[in-house]
Amino acid sequence: AQSVTQPDIHITVSEGASLELRCNYSYGATPYLFWYVQSPGQGLQLLLKYFSGDTLVQGIKGFEAEFKRSQSSFNLRNPSVHWCDAAEYFCAVGANSGNTPLVFGKGTRLSVIA
Amino acid sequence: DAGITQSPRHKVTETGTPVTLRCHQTENHRYMYWYRQDPGHGLRLIHYSYGVKDTDKGEVSDGYSVSRSKTEDFLLTLESATSSQTSVYFCAISERVDRETQYFGPGTRLLVL
Repeated sequence: AQSVTQPDIHITVSEGASLELRCNYSYGATPYLFWYVQSPGQGLQLLLKYFSGDTLVQGIKGFEAEFKRSQSSFNLRNPSVHWCDAAEYFCAVGANSGNTPLVFGKGTRLSVIA
Repeated sequence: DAGITQSPRHKVTETGTPVTLRCHQTENHRYMYWYRQDPGHGLRLIHYSYGVKDTDKGEVSDGYSVSRSKTEDFLLTLESATSSQTSVYFCAISERVDRETQYFGPGTRLLVL
């Protein structure tokens, strides 16, 4: 079964600074990888996803993520964070088996300061 | 936005009472899911459905049951609510179980006193 770890529970960055949120997965084959964002009081919204091909994936709101097989990682990056990016971010991994649901990480809460 | 609604959006109940949460979709997606979200635990899968009358357990299924009699509706029942089931419950849908994006509802905030 697949698993995912988000090592950082809470990160604070200044507005305009760059951001990297870490995600590490465990799975024996090439996984399907997702990043979701949850604004306060809302449901989760997809930021981006990786299935195959180019390992650098572009998403919405200026986010990108890079799949690194050698490091079992799928870190999320943003070159310039805005105050409205303050939210909780979840990494999720899907198995290439066709019959098991996604597994979500525990999330990283992002705070943005002026 | 995907057409997913959850009802009720907020509920306060007492320990020992039954509670049913409803998820309704207008997307005709095959898979439907129930998650609970708690601080420090992230999202945990309770049950999911892969078709009408076809359901399976998730990570934290004890104390919960589900039913899906129509493609568009997925019900989550707490047979006898406990304080440990105080949480925010999210419904999600997807066309496939693994590689397709899950679309989430707005959530139901449940308080068990």
